[in-house]
Amino acid sequence: QVQLVQSGAEVKEPGASVKVSCKASGYTFSNYGLNWVRQAPGQGLEWMGWISAYTGNTNYAQKLQGRVTMTTDTSTSIAYMELSSLRSDDTAVYYCARDLGARPPSTIGYWGQGTLVTVSS
Amino acid sequence: DIQMTQSPSSLSASLGDRVTITCRASQGISNYLAWYQQKPGKVPELLIFAASTLQSGVPSRFSGSGSGTDFSLTISSLQPEDVATYYCQNYYGVPRTFGQGTKVEIK
Repeated sequence: QVQLVQSGAEVKEPGASVKVSCKASGYTFSNYGLNWVRQAPGQGLEWMGWISAYTGNTNYAQKLQGRVTMTTDTSTSIAYMELSSLRSDDTAVYYCARDLGARPPSTIGYWGQGTLVTVSS
Repeated sequence: DIQMTQSPSSLSASLGDRVTITCRASQGISNYLAWYQQKPGKVPELLIFAASTLQSGVPSRFSGSGSGTDFSLTISSLQPEDVATYYCQNYYGVPRTFGQGTKVEIK
């Protein structure tokens, strides 16, 4: 069965960077794209971007361009999302989420458990 | 960017009621529309993709319709376990925008 297991909670100071990992199992990693979605406390879902695990091609939300970097390591089936220059409004639960289908465009079919990132001085 | 507007933002209905949530895209997205359910404190789950295709394991009381710019999610008979926030999402292109969510409660 498809599983996405994310790294643990992080507390960062404003201006720092955070790197969240997402370990995939139960499928051929390079065959599916991965999304990153975040959810601030009490707020809705915000799509951050998408990466092809096969090519490494990325699409980022415009508001995060320049601060977010998504990568994958096909040798370990791990995806990473790094967010730099953290601000208090980056405090959120960050989800990795796999495309349902192998051919884009695809909706999200599977979600990780989420990683809480808290930005506070 | 394509904007997704859901309505209402919240609703309260009785058990057994028929409930409909709408989602409007700011431009045509064909049928590249998904619906997710997020129960309190839980991870979102896919309910419907391609506007009207029920994801495996989702109860048949859920249905979706629409194409182009106007879409809807219907719960034919509201059950206690349906208390959740529901989100639509466009995956026609990028960004894959979510609607702002509709919170469903039991009256």
